[in-house]
Amino acid sequence: RKEVEQDPGPFNVPEGATVAFNCTYSNSASQSFFWYRQDCRKEPKLLMSVYSSGNEDGRFTAQLNRASQYISLLIRDSKLSDSATYLCVVNNGDSNYQLIWGAGTKLIIKP
Amino acid sequence: NAGVTQTPKFQVLKTGQSMTLQCAQDMNHNSMYWYRQDPGMGLRLIYYSASEGTTDKGEVPNGYNVSRLNKREFSLRLESAAPSQTSVYFCASSADRGGRSPLHFGNGTRLTVT
Repeated sequence: RKEVEQDPGPFNVPEGATVAFNCTYSNSASQSFFWYRQDCRKEPKLLMSVYSSGNEDGRFTAQLNRASQYISLLIRDSKLSDSATYLCVVNNGDSNYQLIWGAGTKLIIKP
Repeated sequence: NAGVTQTPKFQVLKTGQSMTLQCAQDMNHNSMYWYRQDPGMGLRLIYYSASEGTTDKGEVPNGYNVSRLNKREFSLRLESAAPSQTSVYFCASSADRGGRSPLHFGNGTRLTVT
């Protein structure tokens, strides 16, 4: 089992729709969780951190479910500019605090 | 607002050639990282430097060496390139050790080894 698993997609979604991704992680000791966005042939950029109580940033909502070991990202009122690959990132819970990256979920927003 | 600067952006090498990828950050970050990204896989950590003067192996260090020249600069060297090292390489930095604060990435180096 991969340490961080994501559905690779692509998710083809009409503009204005709501879309949600999940990401599962295997290490119950993980403490830090992030969603990054990566545009085609570009570097990853932080979208948002994920907090235990859940958090929202505009149209984006992130949730953490420790019991089931997954995090989720919800995008409301999707825009064409939301088309990208979304990377789930989890720390490994060890003392060296390294990050483990999912392979990403590709999102395509269609007009 | 340069952030993390990587050079070169593209490179083609023949098997057995060597090269050094350069990375510099101007955010006064303590930690720096080198990742590679291959199609269908997550970013994989090659080496990291938790602070100036220290370097440690990541998940896939074989075939690479690094130097943390000073707080700003962290270089990655391929001593004898192999086709398996064809990849996109990203340098990143963070305020503290990965997992506690987000990473800031350079634009990447697209390396092809023939």
